[in-house]
Amino acid sequence: DAKTTQPNSMESNEEEPVHLPCNHSTISGTDYIHWYRQLPSQGPEYVIHGLTSNVNNRMASLAIAEDRKSSTLILHRATLRDAAVYYCILRDNTGGFKTIFGAGTRLFVKA
Amino acid sequence: SAVISQKPSRDICQRGTSLTIQCQVDSQVTMMFWYRQQPGQSLTLIATANQGSEATYESGFVIDKFPISRPNLTFSTLTVSNMSPEDSSIYLCSVETSGTSTDTQYFGPGTRLTVL
Repeated sequence: DAKTTQPNSMESNEEEPVHLPCNHSTISGTDYIHWYRQLPSQGPEYVIHGLTSNVNNRMASLAIAEDRKSSTLILHRATLRDAAVYYCILRDNTGGFKTIFGAGTRLFVKA
Repeated sequence: SAVISQKPSRDICQRGTSLTIQCQVDSQVTMMFWYRQQPGQSLTLIATANQGSEATYESGFVIDKFPISRPNLTFSTLTVSNMSPEDSSIYLCSVETSGTSTDTQYFGPGTRLTVL
């Protein structure tokens, strides 16, 4: 499986935008970039995914570099509820579409 | 979407015993998975539960230690056998509805296991 690299932790102020980076230099042409987050004491939840173009949904935006070797999850206005571990994951079809989690980025949001 | 329930939500068990964790989904799903999350760590995939056939285990996990059943498209069990304190973790069931690279994965609330 292609690997992703994320910072261990980041800090943000409430109501400010947050940019969570992810490096995936060995990404293959068929890998989709998925983001999940895990709130305290809960199972992970889906945030967003994309292949080549930038994507927006009600939770976040995903900006994908032109060479696809990196991506950024953007939370437009962080709230205290956004404090969580954010996982950047590559999914391919060679292993039966398994989702393999890396270490993720722990986001701290200050009031 | 899919709503997943797990039983039990937590348990405290003695060394050497076994615990079976149940995962129930509110709709038929293509893929079911079991993960382990050790304290302060990320999730590790244990196996893919295949309907009507033996589960597919990831490296480091074996059927004798983690037998899995999936009798139908909405239910699966994971047994943690001959437990030791190192098995103390949160065990999570996860499902996908279509099994493609764009599919969304849904997770249950987890079963918190403590082995004494």
